[in-house]
Amino acid sequence: GESVGLHLPTLSVQEGDNSIINCAYSNSASDYFIWYKQESGKGPQFIIDIRSNMDKRQGQRVTVLLNKTVKHLSLQIAATQPGDSAVYFCAENLSGNTPLVFGKGTRLSVIA
Amino acid sequence: DADVTQTPRNRITKTGKRIMLECSQTKGHDRMYWYRQDPGLGLRLIYYSFDVKDINKGEISDGYSVSRQAQAKFSLSLESAIPNQTALYFCATSDPLGTEAFFGQGTRLTVV
Repeated sequence: GESVGLHLPTLSVQEGDNSIINCAYSNSASDYFIWYKQESGKGPQFIIDIRSNMDKRQGQRVTVLLNKTVKHLSLQIAATQPGDSAVYFCAENLSGNTPLVFGKGTRLSVIA
Repeated sequence: DADVTQTPRNRITKTGKRIMLECSQTKGHDRMYWYRQDPGLGLRLIYYSFDVKDINKGEISDGYSVSRQAQAKFSLSLESAIPNQTALYFCATSDPLGTEAFFGQGTRLTVV
């Protein structure tokens, strides 16, 4: 079946540095992608999304890049802060009639 | 108040027991989901429902059943709990396009 996967299970960064979390997806028909942040003891929370007709989308301190040629998605966090420490999941949606498929997650640790 | 509420938050049960996890949402969405989270395996879909009369199996439905009692309520049952069902369970709801999903706080279930 189709799956969404992550290249790095853990990532440690210095406070103030930029973070890049990567995700590979296998279904070229997916048309919608989301990044979620899960803090310890909490459910995943929406960060940012992007549709397949876009290459880049920016939010507050976060940017999502989509490379459809190599089926790769990344989340960039600028000036990483201790509060950014969490597990980050990418998810893909094949169509409006299918549920989200989640990747395995990357744990981001911010070193003060 | 939380958009998605799960009860109980924590539960320890014995092998062979039947247990029900409950979920209610105040978003007014038709779509609801149950996911299971294990370390290193991300979020895996158990069952999902696109409206009150709709129930669909997900990736790992064996050993589980669900009931959609109303638009706002979606419960997950383990008919005869076994130790490898020990996990963190999340309920979620999403908009009609099935894009952004709102998650509950999770239920930590331990089967001994």
